[in-house]
Amino acid sequence: GQNIDQPTEMTATEGAIVQINCTYQTSGFNGLFWYQQHAGEAPTFLSYNVLDGLEEKGRFSSFLSRSKGYSYLLLKELQMKDSASYLCAVRDTDTGRRALTFGSGTRLQVQP
Amino acid sequence: GAVVSQHPSWVICKSGTSVKIECRSLDFQATTMFWYRQFPKQSLMLMATSNEGSKATYEQGVEKDKFLINHASLTLSTLTVTSAHPEDSSFYICSALTGTLYEQYFGPGTRLTVT
Repeated sequence: GQNIDQPTEMTATEGAIVQINCTYQTSGFNGLFWYQQHAGEAPTFLSYNVLDGLEEKGRFSSFLSRSKGYSYLLLKELQMKDSASYLCAVRDTDTGRRALTFGSGTRLQVQP
Repeated sequence: GAVVSQHPSWVICKSGTSVKIECRSLDFQATTMFWYRQFPKQSLMLMATSNEGSKATYEQGVEKDKFLINHASLTLSTLTVTSAHPEDSSFYICSALTGTLYEQYFGPGTRLTVT
């Protein structure tokens, strides 16, 4: 089975930096994904980590520690449009299962 | 990037009727497509995995006779909600997987409301 935990809600200020944490417990591991989802829309891909370390992509960075079952998404220079839900998702290595298991999502509210 | 479309984007139907939702990969061939359901303020829950030319694999608790999935080609998968009930009202999202396992490409979703 899989268990993915992330905070339900976070609030941050425009221009600031925010870190969204995700912890997971899986029977196998084949990658961790972060998606952004605005209300009423489908998720859009942000980042992918399969090895330990930091992946940077513009204002967004994602970190993974496989030994700790831990990841975080770092958003810099926050903008109002970054207000959205951020979903942590894990792909396990079970035979034939290439789907993602999603956490419950973190609703980020960016304030002026 | 790869584009996945869904049709319709929203649908309202009466209880007891059936609704078909299409998921298409527009510029790539998808060997596998996934169907998710999302209730308000909740995360995506996988319903089934659809492989081209074979029967879909349903997640535990998802009724395969109620949610019919057909993956007839490498660019099209359909989900038919049969005998819909108000509790089936939800946001249905498909995603498509290419030959690599790097990421899934999500469709824009279909909002189903059953009255």
